[in-house]
Amino acid sequence: SQQGEEDPQALSIQEGENATMNCSYKTSINNLQWYRQNSGRGLVHLILIRSNEREKHSGRLRVTLDTSKKSSSLLITASRAADTASYFCAAQGGSEKLVFGKGTKLTVNP
Amino acid sequence: GAVVSQHPSWVICKSGTSVKIECRSLDFQATTMFWYRQFPKQSLMLMATSNEGSKATYEQGVEKDKFLINHASLTLSTLTVTSAHPEDSSFYICSWTSGRCRQFFGPGTRLTVL
Repeated sequence: SQQGEEDPQALSIQEGENATMNCSYKTSINNLQWYRQNSGRGLVHLILIRSNEREKHSGRLRVTLDTSKKSSSLLITASRAADTASYFCAAQGGSEKLVFGKGTKLTVNP
Repeated sequence: GAVVSQHPSWVICKSGTSVKIECRSLDFQATTMFWYRQFPKQSLMLMATSNEGSKATYEQGVEKDKFLINHASLTLSTLTVTSAHPEDSSFYICSWTSGRCRQFFGPGTRLTVL
């Protein structure tokens, strides 16, 4: 399988805490993207980090990329109950195809 | 972001019937789009890449004769699951690419085959 791995598979935290999710991928990439999926719904694009970038911020989101280790992390700071969802990384190589990781199911308890 | 619609949002059908799922890009045109499926508690798996006016390219293990893709225009693509069986029950999601790395996903269609 070309799918990457994400850990943890499930994460449960309290509101206000930070949530960190990790992703590893197997191929060379042009960029790595993070998506959010609420239960039974489509995907929402969160952030894209290019292969020549090491860190990127967007609001409460912070993404890092280590191409030498083929890994990325997504940090959500000051989490809210509304952040409860599944989060997927997706690696994009030379074509426009996205290869998705297995996802992390995040539960933020009020 | 761009708006993508899928119809129907959910469908239940009997084994052996065919089901057509529509995917529309509502506010932009694109040559390339993708079909994914997602089994419960799993990630999205790419089924096929479709370019307007040409045959779709299917991923390994996806039967092209079972999952018929018709990419009729720059804003409409359909996926027909022919002779559906219970193992085809899944969440089918389409996406359109803007050509700038981004993909815009539809809300998904949940197919249940009895």
